Parts: sequence; structure tokens; C-alpha cells
Amino acid sequence: GIQVEQSPPDLILQEGANSTLRCNFSDSVNNLQWFHQNPWGQLINLFYIPSGTKQNGRLSATTVATERYSLLYISSSQTTDSGVYFCAVLNSGGYQKVTFGTGTKLQVIP
Amino acid sequence: KAGVTQTPRYLIKTRGQQVTLSCSPISGHRSVSWYQQTPGQGLQFLFEYFSETQRNKGNFPGRFSGRQFSNSRSEMNVSTLELGDSALYLCASTDRDPTGELFFGEGSRLTVL
Repeated sequence: GIQVEQSPPDLILQEGANSTLRCNFSDSVNNLQWFHQNPWGQLINLFYIPSGTKQNGRLSATTVATERYSLLYISSSQTTDSGVYFCAVLNSGGYQKVTFGTGTKLQVIP
Repeated sequence: KAGVTQTPRYLIKTRGQQVTLSCSPISGHRSVSWYQQTPGQGLQFLFEYFSETQRNKGNFPGRFSGRQFSNSRSEMNVSTLELGDSALYLCASTDRDPTGELFFGEGSRLTVL
């Protein structure tokens, strides 16, 4: 099956710093999403981005499907950005058989 | 519009028991999928239903089963619980089949003693 790797696994930032999270996948995909998991476990949608670039406030994401990677940018980080970030992909030909990456655990310190 | 609703939110069971978890998708969403999250294995796909039919299944033993009703609500069942079944179980729904954006519920946290 498709492999999805995220880097770095852990990241500690000072409040106000910028960061880039990466998601690499081993096969072509029909769908890619970024999520932020809150402390209670719920996955919060950040971006639905099978290709191209999107921005939402301090967050933006870019997926280069032909090169099989996606990037999530967080600018001017805040303590509320802390948590685990996951990318999830739906590979071509699959009926909603989603594969998640291993996640990046982000801690933003004041 | 209400989000994806999962019940119960927390439950404790003992080994050998069975458990049923429920998921109500966002109104109008017809695809429902289930995921298990554990510290050791991460987030893993369990199964996906559309119009009461299971279309895809992950690599889980037969003790894990599910179904979907005509109103798109879904249930999953785990029989003969094992300690390793302790996990957060997440349900997601989507409106645009088959590559639509997934929306997740808050999850059901199962502890097996």
C-alpha cells in the first residue's frame, strides 16, 4: 500500500517563529488533507489540497502531486498551534481508503 | 449544520466483552469511514460504507465489524475485546464521493481492562 511519511516527527518553536511541515507519499493520490489534532483527540480540518497552494490566515499549504509531497507552513506561531499535525492521502483508485502519516508533534513555547 | 456526532464519547469495558460505537454523519453525507488511533500504530483505516454497503476494509481481524443504515448513520462493533483494542475510534463523513473532503467526529475513547 501507499506509504506516507511526515517530517520532522517533533518540533519545538518559540512563539512567533515560522515552521514548515512536510508530507511525502509513495504513490499518486486523488486527495490530500492536513489536520490538526486537538488535545481532546478531534481532527480539525486545515486544508483539502490534492494539488496547488492554499492559504488560510497564518497557515498555508502546497501540494506538488507530480513530486509526491505536500508542505504545511505555519507563520508567526502561537501557543494554540501546539498539537499534532497529520496529513492524510487517498490514493488513486481507492474508495475512501485513507492512509495517514505518522504526524508531526508541534510544541510552541511562550 | 451539525457536525459528525459520535457516541459514546468515553467507555470502559473488560476483556471478552463487546462494544458498539455509533456515528451520525453530517446531513447529506453518504460515505462514512472509521479509523482506530493508538499510540503504537497511529491512525489506521478500519472500513468505509456508502449507501449501506461496505466498499473497503482495512487490515483488522474479523472481530471488527460495522454497518450503515438507510439514513447513513453507521455503527461499528468490536467483539471479544482485547487489551490492545484500547484506542480512540474516529468516524468521518464526506459529501463528494469518492474523493471528497473528510470531516471527523470527536471520537469514542475505549479503554479495555
